[in-house]
Amino acid sequence: AQSVAQPEDQVNVAEGNPLTVKCTYSVSGNPYLFWYVQYPNRGLQFLLKYITGDNLVKGSYGFEAEFNKSQTSFHLKKPSALVSDSALYFCAVRDGINAGNMLTFGGGTRLMVKP
Amino acid sequence: SAVISQKPSRDICQRGTSLTIQCQVDSQVTMMFWYRQQPGQSLTLIATANQGSEATYESGFVIDKFPISRPNLTFSTLTVSNMSPEDSSIYLCSVIAGTGGGGSYEQYFGPGTRLTVT
Repeated sequence: AQSVAQPEDQVNVAEGNPLTVKCTYSVSGNPYLFWYVQYPNRGLQFLLKYITGDNLVKGSYGFEAEFNKSQTSFHLKKPSALVSDSALYFCAVRDGINAGNMLTFGGGTRLMVKP
Repeated sequence: SAVISQKPSRDICQRGTSLTIQCQVDSQVTMMFWYRQQPGQSLTLIATANQGSEATYESGFVIDKFPISRPNLTFSTLTVSNMSPEDSSIYLCSVIAGTGGGGSYEQYFGPGTRLTVT
């Protein structure tokens, strides 16, 4: 079984400050980890993924995420937040590379960036 | 990659009626799914739409309530039947597309259909 936890329902940060959105996961095999963003009245947009290789993954819009195997975490980060980053962020995990394995999503974290 | 469109983008429906949501993909895909996102919640998988056979439903979802069609590899429909206010949600079509192994598969999502049942 696979699961994802996003411990924070909402994260508030001031524009220009660094942001972190937390995610922890549980899988029986190798974790394939993803971040998606959902802007108001829009569908999910892919931000970045970790499959293998460097633990620091860079994605769209200046976001990056750090894979930490010992802590089973995949926190999303950005050095300097923008007001336009305000959205709903979902972490997701897939167990292994088999395309038949579905993504399991976390509960989502609402990011609010104040000017 | 895969580009997914859904129709309608939103609708307001009366209790007891049914709504059919269409999902069109710009390329042939083997795996297509329907998700529900209730207000302020995460995504819940409703079913896997299988081409040429009956859809595979997740626990808590049944064919009579959410009939699904998948006539070919680029198109699917989801019907929300006998609607109640509890069915008010965003319904998302999703596909898995990619070029091969090594984790190159990606899961893509449509823009969603925002359904309000009054």
